[in-house]
Amino acid sequence: NAGVMQNPRHLVRRRGQEARLRCSPMKGHSHVYWYRQLPEEGLKFMVYLQKENIIDESGMPKERFSAEFPKEGPSILRIQQVVRGDSAAYFCASSPSADSYEQYFGPGTRLTVT
Amino acid sequence: AQTVTQSQPEMSVQEAETVTLSCTYDTSENNYYLFWYKQPPSRQMILVIRQEAYKQQNATENRFSVNFQKAAKSFSLKISDSQLGDTAMYFCASCGTSYGKLTFGQGTILTVHP
Repeated sequence: NAGVMQNPRHLVRRRGQEARLRCSPMKGHSHVYWYRQLPEEGLKFMVYLQKENIIDESGMPKERFSAEFPKEGPSILRIQQVVRGDSAAYFCASSPSADSYEQYFGPGTRLTVT
Repeated sequence: AQTVTQSQPEMSVQEAETVTLSCTYDTSENNYYLFWYKQPPSRQMILVIRQEAYKQQNATENRFSVNFQKAAKSFSLKISDSQLGDTAMYFCASCGTSYGKLTFGQGTILTVHP
């Protein structure tokens, strides 16, 4: 059973471009969480999705950031018009159910904005 | 709302010795889960140990154990027989039981010296 997969592992974007980060949860997992880790800081919750639904987006910046988890395919975190402050590591985690406290993390995507 | 505080930015220990990492938390939830995650230089988030708040018995996983003091809202991690591979950033985290939205502390960098 493959673990949580994220791609790309490293992404470089110029200011103003769009960044798309993908997360494929573990097989059988329909719950996905996205976290952001700024340099020298802990992880901060961004959004929680179930298949085709956003359940909690309380940690998402109000502008430029969006997330989806379609019926088919990976979850996508999209950042439009990136700025240097978006440079961070973005992690996704998946779990098999909402009340499960088993959350498995992917290896992360390191986004660098130049 | 939940908050997690790790007051030790850095710790060091000699190989084969024991070290304890501190964590305090605050939560309005009646029931919740607590975790310790390890983040080595690869940046992969690895679950070390977890505790269900309604269980009074402290969790143990091989060389890792916790001291869970519910009234004091304290959740420390003890690493026995420290190994060089334990060198990493360690994060304490908590979540409610409705779904796994994790709140992380700031992290403690642990260095194991030969």
